[in-house]
Amino acid sequence: NAGVTQTPKFQVLKTGQSMTLQCAQDMNHEYMSWYRQDPGMGLRLIHYSVGAGITDQGEVPNGYNVSRSTTEDFPLRLLSAAPSQTSVYFCASSPGTPDNEKLFFGSGTQLSVL
Amino acid sequence: DAKTTQPTSMDCAEGRAANLPCNHSTISGNEYVYWYRQIHSQGPQYIIHGLKNNETNEMASLIITEDRKSSTLILPHATLRDTAVYYCIVRSFHGSSNTGKLIFGQGTTLQVKP
Repeated sequence: NAGVTQTPKFQVLKTGQSMTLQCAQDMNHEYMSWYRQDPGMGLRLIHYSVGAGITDQGEVPNGYNVSRSTTEDFPLRLLSAAPSQTSVYFCASSPGTPDNEKLFFGSGTQLSVL
Repeated sequence: DAKTTQPTSMDCAEGRAANLPCNHSTISGNEYVYWYRQIHSQGPQYIIHGLKNNETNEMASLIITEDRKSSTLILPHATLRDTAVYYCIVRSFHGSSNTGKLIFGQGTTLQVKP
């Protein structure tokens, strides 16, 4: 079982560069989300999606774009990387049914912006 | 979503029960309590969730008070591998503008000691 797959695992960018963090799930989950985690901090929600074609902002959406063209994929785009975006990024998915919002997380992408 | 309050850190002796409290005094009737944990540098892992009844699974038990304003996660026989940050999350589901959001707080760092 692949579950939630994130790529790449590590990435170094220069300030101003753009890139896309990939996230794919093979569990046919409707709900997907992106979190970031800074050192010693909890997870903060960036963007989420409740189904293909539907996305919404979380707590810290500025500087990031998302789209959801398929159920399986939910890429996160950094438009112009800044040092403040240095963080570990986690993607998660969930069935999103009324009694089950159990989130399955990927293994994370460690991003450094110089 | 209801705000949760957890102690910043706790210690537990290996083999003893670990009882992790969570206050959610503003919880409303349709809000579930979810618990996750994050072992160092890994993606968070779902533990258990409940609405009003106590719940038990292979990992833990969840005790929710009758007024639902607080809950306790119980790890019956803590091991060194249970050392992690434990997050208590309360959220509502569907019919609200918060559909799909799951907000993590700071959590409780549990240190299991030999």
